[in-house]
Amino acid sequence: NAGVTQTPKFRILKIGQSMTLQCTQDMNHNYMYWYRQDPGMGLKLIYYSVGAGITDKGEVPNGYNVSRSTTEDFPLRLELAAPSQTSVYFCASSYRTSGRSSSYNEQFFGPGTRLTVL
Amino acid sequence: LAKTTQPISMDSYEGQEVNITCSHNNIATNDYITWYQQFPSQGPRFIIQGYKTKVTNEVASLFIPADRKSSTLSLPRVSLSDTAVYYCLVGARYGGATNKLIFGTGTLLAVQP
Repeated sequence: NAGVTQTPKFRILKIGQSMTLQCTQDMNHNYMYWYRQDPGMGLKLIYYSVGAGITDKGEVPNGYNVSRSTTEDFPLRLELAAPSQTSVYFCASSYRTSGRSSSYNEQFFGPGTRLTVL
Repeated sequence: LAKTTQPISMDSYEGQEVNITCSHNNIATNDYITWYQQFPSQGPRFIIQGYKTKVTNEVASLFIPADRKSSTLSLPRVSLSDTAVYYCLVGARYGGATNKLIFGTGTLLAVQP
């Protein structure tokens, strides 16, 4: 299994440009997440999805959009890039069953995308 | 979710045991304590989780006192490769309906030769 893969690894955008950060997982996880991490800080949740067709906002959703048309893919869209969106973006996934007998649903993270907006 | 407080940084030498303490005074009855590790330029990785007393796996031990208002991650005989940021997270075992994680700033552990 490749786990969680993200593309691109690095990207430089100009203010006002748009782009899509790709995230794919091959573990058949139902839950997926997007985080951003600013220098020296912890991760902040942008958006998450509990299954295909279902998405919801996290702590810092402004300026971003997501979609979840398949179990495997969870792209993050930046429509009008701003310098404040310069950050490292991590995608993660986890699996949760409906019963409480399941083990802890650990999140598996991708390698990240380093985005700079100039 | 309960707020956590950790030291910003710690220094150690190879071969030493390292203990990182996390305070979580407002921990709820259903909350578990979970630790993640993050190497530079990588995403976080799950280390260990516990509810009370002691939990041990092949990587670390987690000590939780009876009042559960704090916890200590213990790394035995650290090596240079243990240099990383360690995050303490407190929340429901299943993260609630959405398994959301709340990360603080973590503890930067620097291991010297």
